[in-house]
Amino acid sequence: DARVTQTPRHKVTEMGQEVTMRCQPILGHNTVFWYRQTMMQGLELLAYFRNRAPLDDSGMPKDRFSAEMPDATLATLKIQPSEPRDSAVYFCASGLEGARGNYGYTFGSGTRLTVV
Amino acid sequence: GDSVTQMEGPVTLSEEAFLTINCTYTATGYPSLFWYVQYPGEGLQLLLKATKADDKGSNKGFEATYRKETTSFHLEKGSVQVSDSAVYFCALIRQGGSEKLVFGKGTKLTVNP
Repeated sequence: DARVTQTPRHKVTEMGQEVTMRCQPILGHNTVFWYRQTMMQGLELLAYFRNRAPLDDSGMPKDRFSAEMPDATLATLKIQPSEPRDSAVYFCASGLEGARGNYGYTFGSGTRLTVV
Repeated sequence: GDSVTQMEGPVTLSEEAFLTINCTYTATGYPSLFWYVQYPGEGLQLLLKATKADDKGSNKGFEATYRKETTSFHLEKGSVQVSDSAVYFCALIRQGGSEKLVFGKGTKLTVNP
Protein backbone atom coordinates (compact mmCIF):
# COMPACT_ATOMS: atom_id res chain seq x y z
CA ASP A 1 0.00 0.00 0.00
CA ALA A 2 1.10 3.55 -0.69
CA ARG A 3 2.07 5.44 2.44
CA VAL A 4 2.65 8.93 3.68
CA THR A 5 6.07 8.95 5.34
CA GLN A 6 6.86 11.30 8.19
CA THR A 7 10.22 11.89 9.82
CA PRO A 8 11.30 11.89 12.55
CA ARG A 9 8.83 9.70 14.43
CA HIS A 10 9.88 11.20 17.74
CA LYS A 11 11.69 14.41 18.61
CA VAL A 12 12.70 15.77 21.98
CA THR A 13 14.16 19.24 21.98
CA GLU A 14 14.88 22.10 24.31
CA MET A 15 12.82 25.24 24.35
CA GLY A 16 14.12 27.80 21.89
CA GLN A 17 15.53 25.26 19.44
CA GLU A 18 14.44 24.96 15.83
CA VAL A 19 12.44 21.90 14.88
CA THR A 20 11.87 20.66 11.34
CA MET A 21 9.39 17.92 10.52
CA ARG A 22 9.24 16.29 7.12
CA CYS A 23 6.57 14.57 5.12
CA GLN A 24 6.73 12.58 1.92
CA PRO A 25 3.23 12.49 0.41
CA ILE A 26 1.98 9.63 -1.70
CA LEU A 27 3.26 9.83 -5.24
CA GLY A 28 0.72 11.54 -7.44
CA HIS A 29 -1.15 13.22 -4.60
CA ASN A 30 -1.30 16.97 -5.00
CA THR A 31 -2.92 18.02 -1.71
CA VAL A 32 -1.01 17.97 1.57
CA PHE A 33 -2.28 18.81 5.04
CA TRP A 34 -0.53 19.40 8.35
CA TYR A 35 -2.51 18.66 11.52
CA ARG A 36 -1.56 18.93 15.16
CA GLN A 37 -3.09 16.61 17.76
CA THR A 38 -3.21 17.28 21.49
CA MET A 39 -5.37 15.90 24.25
CA MET A 40 -6.88 19.29 24.97
CA GLN A 41 -7.52 20.57 21.45
CA GLY A 42 -7.91 17.38 19.48
CA LEU A 43 -6.99 17.62 15.78
CA GLU A 44 -6.20 21.12 14.55
CA LEU A 45 -5.53 21.98 10.94
CA LEU A 46 -2.33 24.01 10.69
CA ALA A 47 -1.85 24.38 6.94
CA TYR A 48 -2.52 22.80 3.61
CA PHE A 49 -1.18 22.90 0.10
CA ARG A 50 -2.45 22.11 -3.33
CA ASN A 51 -0.01 21.63 -6.17
CA ARG A 52 2.65 22.89 -3.74
CA ALA A 53 0.90 26.24 -3.27
CA PRO A 54 -0.27 27.13 0.24
CA LEU A 55 -4.07 27.42 0.32
CA ASP A 56 -4.70 28.01 3.99
CA ASP A 57 -2.37 28.42 6.90
CA SER A 58 -4.74 30.35 9.14
CA GLY A 59 -4.47 27.71 11.85
CA MET A 60 -0.76 28.17 12.21
CA PRO A 61 0.95 30.59 14.61
CA LYS A 62 2.71 32.76 12.06
CA ASP A 63 5.38 34.11 14.32
CA ARG A 64 7.05 30.77 14.92
CA PHE A 65 5.63 28.22 12.48
CA SER A 66 6.29 27.92 8.78
CA ALA A 67 5.23 25.31 6.24
CA GLU A 68 6.65 24.76 2.78
CA MET A 69 6.67 22.34 -0.14
CA PRO A 70 10.04 22.69 -1.82
CA ASP A 71 8.99 20.00 -4.30
CA ALA A 72 6.13 17.60 -4.91
CA THR A 73 7.76 14.84 -2.86
CA LEU A 74 8.51 16.84 0.28
CA ALA A 75 6.54 18.98 2.70
CA THR A 76 8.15 20.56 5.74
CA LEU A 77 6.83 22.10 8.93
CA LYS A 78 9.26 24.21 10.91
CA ILE A 79 9.00 25.69 14.37
CA GLN A 80 11.46 28.38 15.39
CA PRO A 81 11.80 28.96 18.28
CA SER A 82 10.02 25.99 19.82
CA GLU A 83 8.08 26.29 23.08
CA PRO A 84 6.77 23.68 25.54
CA ARG A 85 3.19 24.36 24.39
CA ASP A 86 4.18 23.07 20.94
CA SER A 87 4.47 19.56 22.37
CA ALA A 88 2.02 17.46 20.38
CA VAL A 89 1.79 14.88 17.63
CA TYR A 90 2.03 16.42 14.18
CA PHE A 91 0.38 14.58 11.32
CA CYS A 92 0.78 14.98 7.61
CA ALA A 93 -1.93 13.76 5.23
CA SER A 94 -2.09 13.70 1.45
CA GLY A 95 -4.81 13.31 -1.12
CA LEU A 96 -5.76 13.92 -4.71
CA GLU A 97 -7.71 16.94 -5.90
CA GLY A 98 -10.72 16.08 -7.95
CA ALA A 99 -11.69 13.19 -5.71
CA ARG A 100 -13.61 15.79 -3.66
CA GLY A 101 -12.69 13.84 -0.64
CA ASN A 102 -14.52 10.77 -1.88
CA TYR A 103 -11.57 8.62 -0.96
CA GLY A 104 -10.63 10.54 2.11
CA TYR A 105 -7.05 11.42 2.80
CA THR A 106 -4.14 9.21 3.82
CA PHE A 107 -2.37 10.08 7.04
CA GLY A 108 1.21 9.49 8.06
CA SER A 109 2.15 7.96 11.41
CA GLY A 110 2.97 11.33 12.87
CA THR A 111 5.89 13.06 14.58
CA ARG A 112 5.65 13.14 18.36
CA LEU A 113 7.30 16.37 19.47
CA THR A 114 8.28 17.05 23.04
CA VAL A 115 9.70 20.46 23.93
CA VAL A 116 11.30 20.63 27.36
CA GLY B 1 -18.31 27.57 10.02
CA ASP B 2 -18.34 23.85 9.42
CA SER B 3 -18.22 21.67 12.51
CA VAL B 4 -18.58 18.09 13.71
CA THR B 5 -19.88 17.05 17.11
CA GLN B 6 -19.27 13.57 18.48
CA MET B 7 -20.55 11.93 21.60
CA GLU B 8 -18.08 12.28 24.41
CA GLY B 9 -16.21 9.25 25.55
CA PRO B 10 -14.68 7.21 26.70
CA VAL B 11 -16.90 4.30 25.78
CA THR B 12 -16.23 0.94 27.41
CA LEU B 13 -17.95 -2.21 26.16
CA SER B 14 -17.67 -5.92 26.56
CA GLU B 15 -16.73 -8.06 23.59
CA GLU B 16 -19.68 -8.82 21.27
CA ALA B 17 -21.66 -5.81 22.52
CA PHE B 18 -23.41 -3.42 20.13
CA LEU B 19 -21.66 -0.14 19.43
CA THR B 20 -23.08 3.25 18.53
CA ILE B 21 -21.03 6.43 18.39
CA ASN B 22 -23.10 9.48 17.60
CA CYS B 23 -21.95 12.15 15.17
CA THR B 24 -23.77 15.26 13.99
CA TYR B 25 -22.49 17.96 11.70
CA THR B 26 -23.03 21.54 10.66
CA ALA B 27 -21.99 22.53 7.17
CA THR B 28 -22.99 24.68 4.25
CA GLY B 29 -24.22 22.62 1.34
CA TYR B 30 -23.77 18.88 1.16
CA PRO B 31 -20.56 17.62 2.70
CA SER B 32 -18.91 14.26 2.29
CA LEU B 33 -18.77 12.42 5.61
CA PHE B 34 -16.12 10.11 7.00
CA TRP B 35 -15.18 7.99 9.96
CA TYR B 36 -11.50 7.63 10.74
CA VAL B 37 -9.96 5.28 13.31
CA GLN B 38 -6.74 5.80 15.23
CA TYR B 39 -5.07 2.86 16.94
CA PRO B 40 -2.61 3.57 19.75
CA GLY B 41 0.62 5.12 18.50
CA GLU B 42 -0.56 5.28 14.91
CA GLY B 43 -1.95 7.79 12.45
CA LEU B 44 -5.55 8.04 11.36
CA GLN B 45 -6.96 5.47 8.96
CA LEU B 46 -10.04 5.94 6.85
CA LEU B 47 -12.70 3.53 8.09
CA LEU B 48 -15.68 4.40 5.90
CA LYS B 49 -17.27 7.24 3.97
CA ALA B 50 -20.50 8.51 2.45
CA THR B 51 -20.84 11.26 -0.11
CA LYS B 52 -24.57 11.95 -0.37
CA ALA B 53 -27.79 11.67 1.58
CA ASP B 54 -28.94 8.13 2.42
CA ASP B 55 -25.60 6.63 1.42
CA LYS B 56 -24.39 3.92 3.76
CA GLY B 57 -20.68 3.51 4.29
CA SER B 58 -19.44 0.18 5.59
CA ASN B 59 -16.16 -1.52 6.37
CA LYS B 60 -14.92 -4.22 8.77
CA GLY B 61 -18.41 -4.66 10.20
CA PHE B 62 -18.85 -0.95 10.88
CA GLU B 63 -21.64 1.02 9.24
CA ALA B 64 -22.81 4.62 9.11
CA THR B 65 -25.69 6.18 7.16
CA TYR B 66 -25.68 9.76 5.91
CA ARG B 67 -28.86 11.32 7.30
CA LYS B 68 -29.44 14.75 5.84
CA GLU B 69 -32.67 15.39 7.71
CA THR B 70 -30.97 14.95 11.07
CA THR B 71 -27.48 16.02 9.87
CA SER B 72 -26.08 12.86 11.41
CA PHE B 73 -23.63 10.09 10.56
CA HIS B 74 -23.69 7.70 13.51
CA LEU B 75 -21.21 4.83 13.59
CA GLU B 76 -22.51 1.35 14.45
CA LYS B 77 -21.19 -2.15 14.80
CA GLY B 78 -23.23 -5.13 15.80
CA SER B 79 -20.57 -7.06 17.71
CA VAL B 80 -17.35 -5.38 18.79
CA GLN B 81 -14.04 -7.12 19.33
CA VAL B 82 -11.11 -6.32 21.59
CA SER B 83 -9.17 -5.34 18.46
CA ASP B 84 -11.69 -2.52 17.81
CA SER B 85 -10.32 -0.61 20.79
CA ALA B 86 -9.20 2.72 19.33
CA VAL B 87 -10.19 6.36 18.98
CA TYR B 88 -12.84 7.06 16.36
CA PHE B 89 -13.14 10.41 14.57
CA CYS B 90 -16.06 11.67 12.57
CA ALA B 91 -15.12 14.16 9.85
CA LEU B 92 -16.52 16.08 6.91
CA ILE B 93 -15.35 17.77 3.75
CA ARG B 94 -17.58 20.43 2.27
CA GLN B 95 -18.11 19.68 -1.39
CA GLY B 96 -17.24 22.53 -3.65
CA GLY B 97 -15.45 24.20 -0.80
CA SER B 98 -11.85 24.29 0.21
CA GLU B 99 -11.76 20.52 0.77
CA LYS B 100 -10.42 20.78 4.29
CA LEU B 101 -11.15 17.84 6.54
CA VAL B 102 -13.02 19.04 9.63
CA PHE B 103 -12.82 16.59 12.54
CA GLY B 104 -14.82 15.93 15.64
CA LYS B 105 -12.91 15.61 18.91
CA GLY B 106 -12.82 11.82 18.78
CA THR B 107 -14.36 9.08 20.90
CA LYS B 108 -12.16 6.57 22.67
CA LEU B 109 -13.52 3.03 22.61
CA THR B 110 -12.24 0.29 24.90
CA VAL B 111 -13.50 -3.24 24.42
CA ASN B 112 -12.90 -5.69 27.24
CA PRO B 113 -12.74 -9.46 26.77
